Amino acid sequence: GESVGLHLPTLSVQEGDNSIINCAYSNSASDYFIWYKQESGKGPQFIIDIRSNMDKRQGQRVTVLLNKTVKHLSLQIAATQPGDSAVYFCAENGDQGGKLIFGQGTELSVKP
Amino acid sequence: DAMVIQNPRYQVTQFGKPVTLSCSQTLNHNVMYWYQQKSSQAPKLLFHYYDKDFNNEADTPDNFQSRRPNTSFCFLDIRSPGLGDAAMYLCATSRVIRVGGNTEAFFGQGTRLTVV
Repeated sequence: GESVGLHLPTLSVQEGDNSIINCAYSNSASDYFIWYKQESGKGPQFIIDIRSNMDKRQGQRVTVLLNKTVKHLSLQIAATQPGDSAVYFCAENGDQGGKLIFGQGTELSVKP
Repeated sequence: DAMVIQNPRYQVTQFGKPVTLSCSQTLNHNVMYWYQQKSSQAPKLLFHYYDKDFNNEADTPDNFQSRRPNTSFCFLDIRSPGLGDAAMYLCATSRVIRVGGNTEAFFGQGTRLTVV
């Protein structure tokens, strides 16, 4: 069945360093991917998205890379700040009916 | 301003006593989702509405039901809550165009359900 998973459950980085969070997906028919940030006790917050006709998309301090050949997604955060500490989820839209499936999640901890 | 509103933020219910969680949206999105999220886990999709079409996940227990009386509101009914149903319940909305595909989902702040 469809599944989206992450390689690293926890990631600890020094403030100012770059962070890379990875995600693997299994549904080759998925055409839309989203990264969410979730702080404790809050709902997921949209960070950035990418469609399957692209392999890279940049936002403010964040970049998402999509490798359809190996079904891999990554989120890069430049100059990581303490406020970036949260759990990050990738999510996958596998059909045109809006179904949105989340991956395992990575907890990012930023050390000052 | 909150665009996806969940009430209440915290709900305590008794074992076996039916409970309803509510969600409203001001975005006029055609898709609404309910997720269950337990500690240190990813949100798990229970079901979603595409317009009026209800889409239940295969592994969602029958104990969980949903209603969407209009575009703006969606309810999650738990008919007989068990201790294992204690979790954060998240509502989300998105605008989906079949030809153009999907767009980002916006989440509410969640309702944390405690079963005693």
